[in-house]
Amino acid sequence: GAVVSQHPSWVICKSGTSVKIECRSLDFQATTMFWYRQFPKQSLMLMATSNEGSKATYEQGVEKDKFLINHASLTLSTLTVTSAHPEDSSFYICSVLGHRPNYGYTFGSGTRLTVV
Amino acid sequence: DQQVKQNSPSLSVQEGRISILNCDYTNSMFDYFLWYKKYPAEGPTFLISISSIKDKNEDGRFTVFLNKSAKHLSLHIVPSQPGDSAVYFCAASPPRGGAQKLVFGQGTRLTINP
Repeated sequence: GAVVSQHPSWVICKSGTSVKIECRSLDFQATTMFWYRQFPKQSLMLMATSNEGSKATYEQGVEKDKFLINHASLTLSTLTVTSAHPEDSSFYICSVLGHRPNYGYTFGSGTRLTVV
Repeated sequence: DQQVKQNSPSLSVQEGRISILNCDYTNSMFDYFLWYKKYPAEGPTFLISISSIKDKNEDGRFTVFLNKSAKHLSLHIVPSQPGDSAVYFCAASPPRGGAQKLVFGQGTRLTINP
């Protein structure tokens, strides 16, 4: 399956600033990547589908102007949390779509964002 | 609307015994199911999957059972080991036709006691 690198693994930022999270597919050309968010003790919630060379598709209720996604190459997708607020504090995880049997749904290691 | 449900938030099992994690779904269009294991502050790792055309898939200590009529799947781990302590998510996927999005359950925290 694919190897996915996510960076940074944790970040603390001040309210009002922006934070960029990178998701790299190291050995697989990923035309599609997914961004998830996990609140404590809750499920993984899909935020958006990132498509190489085109606009991301956001899930209902996710503010696209707040969570900017760029998928400029087959190996890199970025999620930028703009004007961060404490309620944006969460665990963000990316995944790469591959092929069955497990879809190559390989996940990154996640990024713990804390906004103070 | 929670299409994939894991009704047990936690489960505690003695080392060496069988762990059974359950998952229910509501969407009959789901045709592929996966189990993931997640440690704190890490991304989920794939464990095992099953297609809707099967009712059982086995991989070492892990076996997944699917009951389509009941819209229920379960993950059996036997024998359970301390390293199995983690949060387990079941996920479901609709029929493939382009990029597919997984729908996750809420997770079950499994604790294996020595």
